[in-house]
Amino acid sequence: DADVTQTPRNRITKTGKRIMLECSQTKGHDRMYWYRQDPGLGLRLIYYSFDVKDINKGEISDGYSVSRQAQAKFSLSLESAIPNQTALYFCATSDYYTSGLIGAGELFFGEGSRLTVL
Amino acid sequence: GEDVEQSLFLSVREGDSSVINCTYTDSSSTYLYWYKQEPGAGLQLLTYIFSNMDMKQDQRLTVLLNKKDKHLSLRIADTQTGDSAIYFCAETTYMNRDDKIIFGKGTRLHILP
Repeated sequence: DADVTQTPRNRITKTGKRIMLECSQTKGHDRMYWYRQDPGLGLRLIYYSFDVKDINKGEISDGYSVSRQAQAKFSLSLESAIPNQTALYFCATSDYYTSGLIGAGELFFGEGSRLTVL
Repeated sequence: GEDVEQSLFLSVREGDSSVINCTYTDSSSTYLYWYKQEPGAGLQLLTYIFSNMDMKQDQRLTVLLNKKDKHLSLRIADTQTGDSAIYFCAETTYMNRDDKIIFGKGTRLHILP
């Protein structure tokens, strides 16, 4: 089983609908992130969380909200989806106490959730 | 703010070496990474280098770091069709709690037969 699991993997919805993307991890990491990938724009950070009570906006948080239900779960919501939110969304995790001390501090990514808003 | 730049496309013949270049602006970068994204998949860490190193070699991969010019490169020797992917350069300082990994836009490597 994957260490970082995203659901759904694909979703087509209509403008104005509420959408939730879910992410769960078995790595035991403190930090979780939501990124958006668009062709030619690379990865852009939407929200990130250092623990259950610590949630922070990234560079493109408008139109999105998040919930950290537990250390292992981090969900992304689009309250009223619009077509320019059509993108590939990635959840990622990292371990703060590893970062910079023992390991490389790298991010571990899920396989992505492809969202299409019509 | 910090920025990471890389070209968007690279075409290489199978068997040749691929060189993917990246420049970054943050002179206090501590870790520099190369991530690989295969079609339909998430990003995976390919290799990384600490800022106090000039070079790192791992089988077919060679990473070169020029701190003075803030230039990072990834060389893939004997490029194979399985190397076809998007390669992301990334950096971070990890000096402060809020420091995050900054990604470039990714270079799509296309392998010619």
